[in-house]
Order: sequence, then structure tokens, then C-alpha cells
Amino acid sequence: DAGVIQSPRHEVTEMGQEVTLRCKPISGHDYLFWYRQTMMRGLELLIYFNNNVPIDDSGMPEDRFSAKMPNASFSTLKIQPSEPRDSAVYFCASSPSGVPYEQYFGPGTRLTVT
Amino acid sequence: KNQVEQSPQSLIILEGKNCTLQCNYTVSPFSNLRWYKQDTGRGPVSLTIMTFSENTKSNGRYTATLDADTKQSSLHITASQLSDSASYICVVSPRYGGSQGNLIFGKGTKLSVKP
Repeated sequence: DAGVIQSPRHEVTEMGQEVTLRCKPISGHDYLFWYRQTMMRGLELLIYFNNNVPIDDSGMPEDRFSAKMPNASFSTLKIQPSEPRDSAVYFCASSPSGVPYEQYFGPGTRLTVT
Repeated sequence: KNQVEQSPQSLIILEGKNCTLQCNYTVSPFSNLRWYKQDTGRGPVSLTIMTFSENTKSNGRYTATLDADTKQSSLHITASQLSDSASYICVVSPRYGGSQGNLIFGKGTKLSVKP
């Protein structure tokens, strides 16, 4: 298996622009997670899905952030409009069902908003 | 408030030496505790997962220990190699009926192994 795939790996955009991050989870995994990592705050869970259904989006910082999972093999995280404080590394992770819920992380997307 | 604190924040050691990283948590009750290794520019990779009833678990030169009474865990690295240079993140899963989304992350210890 290729592991969790994320694209793009790097994104540089101007404030106010729309940004879309993409994720392909590991085939057969029921759970998909979006995280954000910064030096100040470490890893933070934004939202997670189970069987394509959003379960908890309480970590999504503002209405500018939205996430979708139209099918079991694809998810997007969208920021509209983007702001400089959104600059961070965004990770997607997937996990099969069953304890202890091992999570497999993708390589991340480094977002820079100028 | 559930928290995970790691120490030290950063550590520099010479190649071949051993080191121990610490993790203190206030999560209670908890289901399991994990240690992840994150190389620069990459996603975290799981090293060990221990349930609340386990005391120790090894993965090659990495050995994690858990003391559920004192709410402390440590990650011991033996005979360090240059490739061990990375951030090591402690993660605790509360026992909330099996929810996957309640992982609590420490901020990590940045380890640098010098030749």
C-alpha cells in the first residue's frame, strides 16, 4: 500500500485566496483525520470522519474552514478565505476500526499564506 | 483538564549514547499511550502503543515504559544513531467509550544526535 497520500506537498498563496488540501486514505481504513501542526501549538485535531461521515468538527477553528469526504478514498480540507495565521503543516491520517486505533499519517501539506 | 507534558523540549546527544525522554499526563482514565517519531518534513510514525495495563513495550532500540499510578511514561533510546534525530511525540487516548478523535498530544521532544 502507498500509505496516506496528500497533495499538494507545499502551497503558497496570498491572503484571501481559497486553498484546497487533498487526502487519499489507506484503502480499507474507516477513519480519516485532519490535523494542523504549528510550533506553538503542536498537533491539533481539526475534524475526523467515520465511514465518510463527519463525527467531530469541534477543532475546526472558524467557518472559513470546511472539510468533506465524498467517498471512502478521498477527502478535502478547504480554507476560504485564507489568512496568514493559517500558515501551518496540515496532516491527514487514517485508521482502521478496532482498538487501539493505530493512526497512519500522510506526509503533510505545508501551507504558507502571505 | 487533560494534558500531556513532555520533557525536555530539546536534547542533544552524541551518536552511540543512550537517552530517555519523559511524558507526564493528567488524562484519567485513559485507554492507551503512544509514542510517535516525526522526522523533519514528514508525518508522525508510531513507535509503540501501550494499554493502561502494560508496563513496557519495545521496538528495536526503542523501549517505552508506563507507570499508570504516577501517570508517567518514558521512551528510552539505546545506542543512538544519527537517524534517531527527530521529534518524539507522546499521545494519550482517554477512555471515552472508544472514541478515536480524543487523542491528546504532547508538544514533543526534539532530539538531535551528533556524530
